[in-house]
Amino acid sequence: DAKTTQPNSMESNEEEPVHLPCNHSTISGTDYIHWYRQLPSQGPEYVIHGLTSNVNNRMASLAIAEDRKSSTLILHRATLRDAAVYYCIPRAGYSTLTFGKGTMLLVSP
Amino acid sequence: GAGVSQTPSNKVTEKGKYVELRCDPISGHTALYWYRQSLGQGPEFLIYFQGTGAADDSGLPNDRFFAVRPEGSVSTLKIQRTERGDSAVYLCASSHPLSGANVLTFGAGSRLTVL
Repeated sequence: DAKTTQPNSMESNEEEPVHLPCNHSTISGTDYIHWYRQLPSQGPEYVIHGLTSNVNNRMASLAIAEDRKSSTLILHRATLRDAAVYYCIPRAGYSTLTFGKGTMLLVSP
Repeated sequence: GAGVSQTPSNKVTEKGKYVELRCDPISGHTALYWYRQSLGQGPEFLIYFQGTGAADDSGLPNDRFFAVRPEGSVSTLKIQRTERGDSAVYLCASSHPLSGANVLTFGAGSRLTVL
């Protein structure tokens, strides 16, 4: 499994954009980059995934570096409900997800 | 059901006792996963079922842990001779491998406390 490095925590104010970075320098060429988040007292939930191109969905955007050694999850306008632990997970095909410690996002009103 | 259901939500037991945790996946999801999560850590993979069979049980920590999925739907995680170190939140997830990115949908977990 590719090793990932994420900040332990980040802070944001409500309604501001948030950029959550992830380094995955040992990622293989066919690994997708998945992001999941875990709200307090809940199981993780899927956020977004991508391979090479930047991706957008209703929850977030994913910007992937050209060399694929890093990616950034972008929340365009943080809300209090976005306070969670965000996990960046390189994943080969349908292999199991391997979670690291993730980044705890704190959102202030 | 609409989501992954796990029961019980909380279980307190004494050291040495036997425990069963149940997972009811989303209808039609053929893949089922068990993870456990200790405080301050990310979820740790335990076992993965495809249908009725365990496709990957490499994460089970020792032979006290066992999981079954006899009819390819509901799964039970069984822990024998519980130890205090088994205290954690046990998470279940299911997915439909043929649907796009094989997104995992997790339940809320079963919190196990071993006294």
